[in-house]
Amino acid sequence: EIVLTQSPATLSLSPGERATLSCRASQSVSSSLAWYQQKPGQAPRLLIYDASNRATGIPARFSGSGSGTDFTLTISSLEPEDFAVYYCQQRSNWPPFTFGPGTKVDIK
Amino acid sequence: EVQLLESGGDLVQPGGSLRLSCAASGFTFSNYGISWVRQAPGKGLEWVSTISTNGGSTYYADSVKGRFTISRDNSKNTLSLQMNSLRAEDTAVYYCAKGRRGGTSTDFDYWGQGTLVTVSS
Repeated sequence: EIVLTQSPATLSLSPGERATLSCRASQSVSSSLAWYQQKPGQAPRLLIYDASNRATGIPARFSGSGSGTDFTLTISSLEPEDFAVYYCQQRSNWPPFTFGPGTKVDIK
Repeated sequence: EVQLLESGGDLVQPGGSLRLSCAASGFTFSNYGISWVRQAPGKGLEWVSTISTNGGSTYYADSVKGRFTISRDNSKNTLSLQMNSLRAEDTAVYYCAKGRRGGTSTDFDYWGQGTLVTVSS
């Protein structure tokens, strides 16, 4: 089973700042990695698929990069609605599909 | 507009059974693999099960294998999860999630609002 590790666990930033979130896989997942955003009481929303492709309707301030075992989600300038929990997920070697433990982006 | 609407969540005693359903609309249901993903209170996301487009292939997390059964009815655009021998650790919000790609090796581009399953005496 591929284990995904996310860092940091919590990121405290102010609106307008840049957020950089990391996801590391226990073995290579090639580019088969997705990022999701989840707000309290809501379902997850797909942001990025295949490491660097924005999903439909996702603003350009969200970008993804990486391949192999190291991946990054960048939010170029945080908007108030971006404060949420972010998860990565791999689909390279399954079952099982695995998710990272999440990074919470909260307001400083 | 793609919509996924789960139902069937409830309070059930340990060892009991429950059947979840997911009604899909706004896309060609039979063209996509569909999955169940759960989230225990205050915890992260855990993949539970996936079913292929025609239902011929099913996949399960080790934690539910032998207890849960996923199925689909493409004529009714519905997905089901039969949950038997429920345990306290199965307590979670259960989401149905549409595969983004046509096959089963996929991420999930649309999610339902979730249905809460509570296993407690």
